[in-house]
Amino acid sequence: GAVVSQHPSWVICKSGTSVKIECRSLDFQATTMFWYRQFPKQSLMLMATSNEGSKATYEQGVEKDKFLINHASLTLSTLTVTSAHPEDSSFYICSARGYAFNIQYFGAGTRLSVL
Amino acid sequence: GENVEQHPSTLSVQEGDSAVIKCTYSDSASNYFPWYKQELGKRPQLIIDIRSNVGEKKDQRIAVTLNKTAKHFSLHITETQPEDSAVYFCAPERLTDSWGKFQFGAGTQVVVTP
Repeated sequence: GAVVSQHPSWVICKSGTSVKIECRSLDFQATTMFWYRQFPKQSLMLMATSNEGSKATYEQGVEKDKFLINHASLTLSTLTVTSAHPEDSSFYICSARGYAFNIQYFGAGTRLSVL
Repeated sequence: GENVEQHPSTLSVQEGDSAVIKCTYSDSASNYFPWYKQELGKRPQLIIDIRSNVGEKKDQRIAVTLNKTAKHFSLHITETQPEDSAVYFCAPERLTDSWGKFQFGAGTQVVVTP
C-alpha cells in the first residue's frame, strides 16, 4: 500500500513556541491531505482538509490562525501549531489520498507535549 | 454535518466467538464506508471498506455489510483471536464541494479473552 511519512513522531516544547509537523506521501501524489487530532482514549477529530494549491478548509471550531496548514506540493503538507499552550498537547495524525481513490493512508502520528 | 454513531463502545468476547460493531450515519450522500483498527499509540489501519453500490464484502474473517436505506453499516469479525483486540472506528465518507472527507465514529474497544 501507499506510504505516508509524518515527522516528528514526538515533540516537547515550551508554552508560547510554535511547532511544525510534516506529512509526506512517499510513493504517490496526494491530492488531498487531512489533519486529525486525537485525545487519549478518544476518536479522531478532523481538523482540516488540505488540497494542493488551495487554502485549507477548517472544521467548525478549529482556529485557522492557530493551526496553520500549508499544502505546498503534491507530496507535502505541514501543520504549524502557533503559540502552543498546554491544552494543545495531543496526538496529531495526518492522512493522504491520491487521484481516483477513496482510501486515505495515515502517517504514524505526532505526539505533542506543551510544557 | 454528518452525524455518526457507533455501537457498542466496548465489546468483550471469548476467543473464537464473533464480534459485530454497528455504525449509523445521517448523510445520505455518503458513498464510501471504511472500518479502521487502531492499536494503542499506533496509526489507524484500514481493515475493510465498502462502496455504496455493494451490500456486503468479505475478507477472510472480516466482513462489512451495508444498508444504505437504513443508513448503517456493520463490521463482522468471526473466529476472533487475541490479536483482534484493539479499538475499531467507522468513518463514512461524504462528499463536500468537490472532495470527500471522513467523520470518525467514537470507536469500539474490542477485548478478546483467551
